[in-house]
Amino acid sequence: AQSVTQPDIHITVSEGASLELRCNYSYGATPYLFWYVQSPGQGLQLLLKYFSGDTLVQGIKGFEAEFKRSQSSFNLRKPSVHWSDAAEYFCAVGAVSGGYQKVTFGIGTKLQVIP
Amino acid sequence: DAGITQSPRHKVTETGTPVTLRCHQTENHRYMYWYRQDPGHGLRLIHYSYGVKDTDKGEVSDGYSVSRSKTEDFLLTLESATSSQTSVYFCAIRTGTSGTTDTQYFGPGTRLTVL
Repeated sequence: AQSVTQPDIHITVSEGASLELRCNYSYGATPYLFWYVQSPGQGLQLLLKYFSGDTLVQGIKGFEAEFKRSQSSFNLRKPSVHWSDAAEYFCAVGAVSGGYQKVTFGIGTKLQVIP
Repeated sequence: DAGITQSPRHKVTETGTPVTLRCHQTENHRYMYWYRQDPGHGLRLIHYSYGVKDTDKGEVSDGYSVSRSKTEDFLLTLESATSSQTSVYFCAIRTGTSGTTDTQYFGPGTRLTVL
């Protein structure tokens, strides 16, 4: 069974500072990994995804994530945070079995940005 | 934007009443999903569909049923609503059918309150 751990429930950063959100996964084979962002009262928006190939993945809004198989991690980064990045971020791991794609989500990390 | 709408967006109902939530997509995707989102739990899969009249259970399916009579519509019914079903419900579609590079995209959500 697959699982995702987001160890930080809440993170506060200053505007302009760098950001790293942690994500660890558990899955026996090569995982498909995702980061989604959710603004208050909104649905989830896909930031980026990793399926194979280059382990550094670029996404929208200036975000990137790095897949590290040895550490079972897929951490999300941004070099300079903007106030509009305040939101909740979800890491997810996907797997396909018999055509059924199961995606397991972490519990989310809520990001607060202070001026 | 994956062309997903959900209705209603907000609903308040009383314990014991049946409730139906609708998910509508405009891009003819085969796979559709219903999740619920609760604090501390992330998103959990209720039911999914892999075609017209083809549905299956997710991890939290008790008390819920689904129907898909047309490709574009996926209905979630709470047969007799309980307070534990107060939640935000998200519909998702999955692009593609191969599984290897498919991605799930989410609708805007329905906030349901059961009194």
